[in-house]
Amino acid sequence: EDQVTQSPEALRLQEGESSSLNCSYTVSGLRGLFWYRQDPGKGPEFLFTLYSAGEEKEKERLKATLTKKESFLHITAPKPEDSATYLCAVLSSGGSYIPTFGRGTSLIVHP
Amino acid sequence: GAVVSQHPSRVICKSGTSVKIECRSLDFQATTMFWYRQFPKQSLMLMATSNEGSKATYEQGVEKDKFLINHASLTLSTLTVTSAHPEDSSFYICSARIPGTAKLGGYTFGSGTRLTVV
Repeated sequence: EDQVTQSPEALRLQEGESSSLNCSYTVSGLRGLFWYRQDPGKGPEFLFTLYSAGEEKEKERLKATLTKKESFLHITAPKPEDSATYLCAVLSSGGSYIPTFGRGTSLIVHP
Repeated sequence: GAVVSQHPSRVICKSGTSVKIECRSLDFQATTMFWYRQFPKQSLMLMATSNEGSKATYEQGVEKDKFLINHASLTLSTLTVTSAHPEDSSFYICSARIPGTAKLGGYTFGSGTRLTVV
């Protein structure tokens, strides 16, 4: 059974204070790992897909990295508008094309 | 592109009544849609997979008779919560697989529906 564990559950940062969110996963075979951003009362918004260990993707202040066991979402010099819940999901190579989601990390960036 | 529109965004209903939530793919045809339920600080829990023209596939523990799913066209899937009770209050989100991009993470999500049963 695919499992996704995200940490920390919640993170409070000051504006400009860089940090990282963690996503640990267990799958029989990884087809892809996804990061989404979810604002309160909204559906998830796609950020990145990572396919293989060593891969990195960047978008503005966000950078996602992937190893064989975990992924990190690095936030550099965050701004208050980066406040949101960040969800990680994995798609395994076996079975259906339905991703398994973690519980997310709630990020609050204070001005 | 690949936008999914979900309505209503919020609904309050009385116990015992039924509520219908619509999910439309606006600029693509969605043969498969997914319905999720999300509790505060919890992960998205897959409830069912909706297939156009056929019966939905429900996840274990999800009551088929309570959560009726209809996917009558390639652009519309509906979730009807029947005989709603306060414990059905939750955030419901639909998702669609973007044709030809599933392997690339091609899932797009609706904006969600906050259901409150009083």
